[in-house]
Amino acid sequence: DAGVIQSPRHEVTEMGQEVTLRCKPISGHDYLFWYRQTMMRGLELLIYFNNNVPIDDSGMPEDRFSAKMPNASFSTLKIQPSEPRDSAVYFCASSLGQGGYQPQHFGDGTRLSIL
Amino acid sequence: KNEVEQSPQNLTAQEGEFITINCSYSVGISALHWLQQHPGGGIVSLFMLSSGKKKHGRLIATINIQEKHSSLHITASHPRDSAVYICAVSSSRNEKLTFGTGTRLTIIP
Repeated sequence: DAGVIQSPRHEVTEMGQEVTLRCKPISGHDYLFWYRQTMMRGLELLIYFNNNVPIDDSGMPEDRFSAKMPNASFSTLKIQPSEPRDSAVYFCASSLGQGGYQPQHFGDGTRLSIL
Repeated sequence: KNEVEQSPQNLTAQEGEFITINCSYSVGISALHWLQQHPGGGIVSLFMLSSGKKKHGRLIATINIQEKHSSLHITASHPRDSAVYICAVSSSRNEKLTFGTGTRLTIIP
């Protein structure tokens, strides 16, 4: 079975541009997570979905960030407008849930650089 | 104080040495996760455990629920074990993971 698939793997864009990151979770997984990793702050949860519904978005840094999950096999994380401080590696993960007793499966990440 | 503390932050060892990485947490958990991240790479789940011990190849993970402490051991370490090892805990109240800051392991040939 294919793992979590993220695209693009790398994105370099100029400040102010809109950035869209994409994620395809593992088929059958009902939880999807978006994380951001930086040297300063490590891994941080941005938002997670259960059955395509956002459950907790308290980690989303500000209104410039938005995430959607229109169906069980696709999610997007959008940054508009982007800023240099958004530069980071963004990971998507999925799991079967069940009260924290299931492992999360991570994608390879999107390395984002905002110039 | 972070909810999940790892030690050491950095560890350098010779090939073949026995490695121990420690993780302490201060909250109630449903499970503890050990993750591995190679330089520039993705994140792989190594273990998820809520009691006792698990073994996979040369890797062993233990947890002591009463002491809120877990260890990850690597026997006969190899340069390919060089990576960042991250401890994370999950709560039964929700699916969120709380992460430690990671331990950067370097194995010298």
